[in-house]
Amino acid sequence: QQQVKQSPQSLIVQKGGISIINCAYENTAFDYFPWYQQFPGKGPALLIAIRPDVSEKKEGRFTISFNKSAKQFSLHIMDSQPGDSATYFCAATSGGGNKLTFGTGTQLKVEL
Amino acid sequence: NAGVTQTPKFRVLKTGQSMTLLCAQDMNHEYMYWYRQDPGMGLRLIHYSVGEGTTAKGEVPDGYNVSRLKKQNFLLGLESAAPSQTSVYFCASRNGGADTQYFGPGTRLTVL
Repeated sequence: QQQVKQSPQSLIVQKGGISIINCAYENTAFDYFPWYQQFPGKGPALLIAIRPDVSEKKEGRFTISFNKSAKQFSLHIMDSQPGDSATYFCAATSGGGNKLTFGTGTQLKVEL
Repeated sequence: NAGVTQTPKFRVLKTGQSMTLLCAQDMNHEYMYWYRQDPGMGLRLIHYSVGEGTTAKGEVPDGYNVSRLKKQNFLLGLESAAPSQTSVYFCASRNGGADTQYFGPGTRLTVL
């Protein structure tokens, strides 16, 4: 049972454009929502994370938008660059973060 | 400071063979995790440990065993490998009281 649904599976964006990746969750006990970035042949690395007490968090070109009532959150990458080409995973956890539940991933390609 | 390291990077096994994957972290983290990553399925938690000498089952524990004899090491064992265990295995660690999990570079395992 997929508790965190992620879309789209793949995404192609032109350089300078906005990349948007969406996730939806079912478990209302989730209280921490990180996004991980993974380059080919590497392990995932934390990109940005949010807690449900805020609706938006911004770090540089990366923004998480969070809608608690809809149980959805999304990653926005502004001014997308070729170096942003990677696989992005949303995740969720509750109660101290021992069990991260991951989405299925989005493969982003930013074209020149 | 090497972070999280995994040994080996690649391995090919025949069905029924056994092997152990080693994860080591030099950040003095209390929590350690083993995930498997399969195409289209994201990362799924196999087993985790909240401290030296403790282990617990994750989402997909069947066919795997783990041990945490030292705080800095977390071993994942396959007693009788099956083709369904062909995957990329990631180890992660986390400091108590913090949310971020730090991932190793992964081990690509193929079971023939």
